[in-house]
Amino acid sequence: KAGVTQTPRYLIKTRGQQVTLSCSPISGHRSVSWYQQTPGQGLQFLFEYFSETQRNKGNFPGRFSGRQFSNSRSEMNVSTLELGDSALYLCASSWGRDTGELFFGEGSRLTVL
Amino acid sequence: AQKITQTQPGMFVQEKEAVTLDCTYDTSDQSYGLFWYKQPSSGEMIFLIYQGSYDEQNATEGRYSLNFQKARKSANLVISASQLGDSAMYFCAMREFRGGADGLTFGKGTHLIIQP
Repeated sequence: KAGVTQTPRYLIKTRGQQVTLSCSPISGHRSVSWYQQTPGQGLQFLFEYFSETQRNKGNFPGRFSGRQFSNSRSEMNVSTLELGDSALYLCASSWGRDTGELFFGEGSRLTVL
Repeated sequence: AQKITQTQPGMFVQEKEAVTLDCTYDTSDQSYGLFWYKQPSSGEMIFLIYQGSYDEQNATEGRYSLNFQKARKSANLVISASQLGDSAMYFCAMREFRGGADGLTFGKGTHLIIQP
């Protein structure tokens, strides 16, 4: 059974650009959530999607957005990139919302220059 | 106040010894879940073990067990017979299952190094 797949694994952007990250959940999983990991702030919740609907959103500016498709695949977008957006972006999937098994992908490492 | 506290920034342990990684949490919810993840240098977050707040028995998964002390709001991870491959960052996390819960809240992690 394939795990959570995130693409791209690494990318470099410059300030002001935008970026789109993709996440394919484990087959059968309908919930996808996104997290940002930085050395300073640690792991922070970005948002969660279930059945194509955003269920929760963390404390991030509107430049951070996401969506989920009918096949449960999810994308997140960051517009007008800032240096502080450099981070490891992790996607997690689970079959339901309130479940004890939440599996993460390997992450997309974004560097903003 | 921090919701998840991991008081050990780093630990050195001899191979084959048992390891206890500390985690305390803070919540007023009755329904919540506690998670432990391992993050090697590659970055992937590997799910280790889960404990629900209503679970009466401590969770176990192979060499991993969770020492759940609800009254103390403690959820320590115990790794038996440590191996060199256990060297990694370990994160404790909590999800509060109230309506509108904001995903997982993570602790700052413990960097575990297993020495031969």
